[in-house]
Amino acid sequence: DAGVIQSPRHEVTEMGQEVTLRCKPISGHNSLFWYRQTMMRGLELLIYFNNNVPIDDSGMPEDRFSAKMPNASFSTLKIQPSEPRDSAVYFCASSFTLGGIGSGADTQYFGPGTRLTVL
Amino acid sequence: GENVEQHPSTLSVQEGDSAVIKCTYSDSASNYFPWYKQELGKRPQLIIDIRSNVGEKKDQRIAVTLNKTAKHFSLHITETQPEDSAVYFCAATQTGTASKLTFGTGTRLQVTL
Repeated sequence: DAGVIQSPRHEVTEMGQEVTLRCKPISGHNSLFWYRQTMMRGLELLIYFNNNVPIDDSGMPEDRFSAKMPNASFSTLKIQPSEPRDSAVYFCASSFTLGGIGSGADTQYFGPGTRLTVL
Repeated sequence: GENVEQHPSTLSVQEGDSAVIKCTYSDSASNYFPWYKQELGKRPQLIIDIRSNVGEKKDQRIAVTLNKTAKHFSLHITETQPEDSAVYFCAATQTGTASKLTFGTGTRLQVTL
């Protein structure tokens, strides 16, 4: 069974360019999360979706960042225009949210990440 | 919102010794506490988790304890091996709310020979 798939794995771009990161969650999962990881700020949650609906985007740093989830099997994170301070590893994670103590739900599984470098 | 604090930030132990990493959380409604291990250049991977209806869970050399009253939980690794060297993250959330995990800042564990 395939895990979370992200593409591209590495992206090098110049300041001002548009960057699109892609994620395919684990089949059957209904929650999807975008994280950014840097040495300085650690692992930050940017936005998450439940049943394709954005639930909380309070972690999105600014209007240059946008995310979509048009269907249950695909999500994008777009940065336009990109800046050098956006350089980081971006992780996508998915989970199945059912709720209730004792359930096996809610474990988040991470994708391999996209290492973004903005020059 | 939830706030998770993690200590220590770095930990060096000799092979065969035990390692303990501690986390505290602020939201008494949190009921799910996973631990992730992240090796250099890799993704965070779940190694063990605990839910608030139990106080301890063990999986081979790894165990996690939870004290709901004090709102803290700990990761215990026994008989450490060089391959245990990694960054470990604790996290907390309330299940059934689309599980927005709040992560600790990470502990870099170095197991020396």
